[in-house]
Amino acid sequence: QLQLQESGPGLVKPSETLSLTCSVSGGSISSSPYYWGWIRQPPGKGLEWIGSIHYSGSTYYSPSLKSRVTVSADSSKKQFSLKLSSMTAADTAMYYCVRHGSISWGDYWGQGALVTVSA
Amino acid sequence: DIVMTQSPDSLAVSLGERATINCKSSQSLLYSSNDKNYLAWFQQRPGQPPKLLIYWASTREPGVPDRFSGSGSGTDFTLTISSLQAGDVAVYYCQQYYTTPYTFGQGTKLEIK
Repeated sequence: QLQLQESGPGLVKPSETLSLTCSVSGGSISSSPYYWGWIRQPPGKGLEWIGSIHYSGSTYYSPSLKSRVTVSADSSKKQFSLKLSSMTAADTAMYYCVRHGSISWGDYWGQGALVTVSA
Repeated sequence: DIVMTQSPDSLAVSLGERATINCKSSQSLLYSSNDKNYLAWFQQRPGQPPKLLIYWASTREPGVPDRFSGSGSGTDFTLTISSLQAGDVAVYYCQQYYTTPYTFGQGTKLEIK
């Protein structure tokens, strides 16, 4: 059974860069034809796609966040990561990692990592 | 970006009754080469990550009870819960994965009447 688990700091200062890692167990992140992505959800609000990385290494980002986002992967460690720069209070959210494909989307999710931006 | 609009924003249904949630996209989600609609439905219970219920607009994810069904094509879609159970209390989201940026509806909060 595939499992995803986010890890990273729960508190980030304004203007700093958020770094989150998603560790995958029970499968490989380099297996075709999947994508590995990040979704966020501000407290009490809806879901926003941030970006994804394909097993081939291609990356796709939300245009609204593209200038601040980097998604990368390390298949040897079975991990993929999110970096979001210039954090502000508006970036306070639960951050989820997710697997998706071209047939179904979001069949596996992590439990989420709550990130608060505060001085 | 494709805008996804759900209705209603909230819904209260009696146990055992039918619940219907609508989702409208600002452009067609039908991919002509395979005649599939790239629309998914998720259930999010409090304190939990979203759970995939339906993909390709009407294909139930393995393990999802058959009281959950999806229908629609093009720009108009519906999630139906045929007989509401207490465990179905949640927020439901539709999502398009026809093109990036992938976008979600604002969510529909389903409660027991």
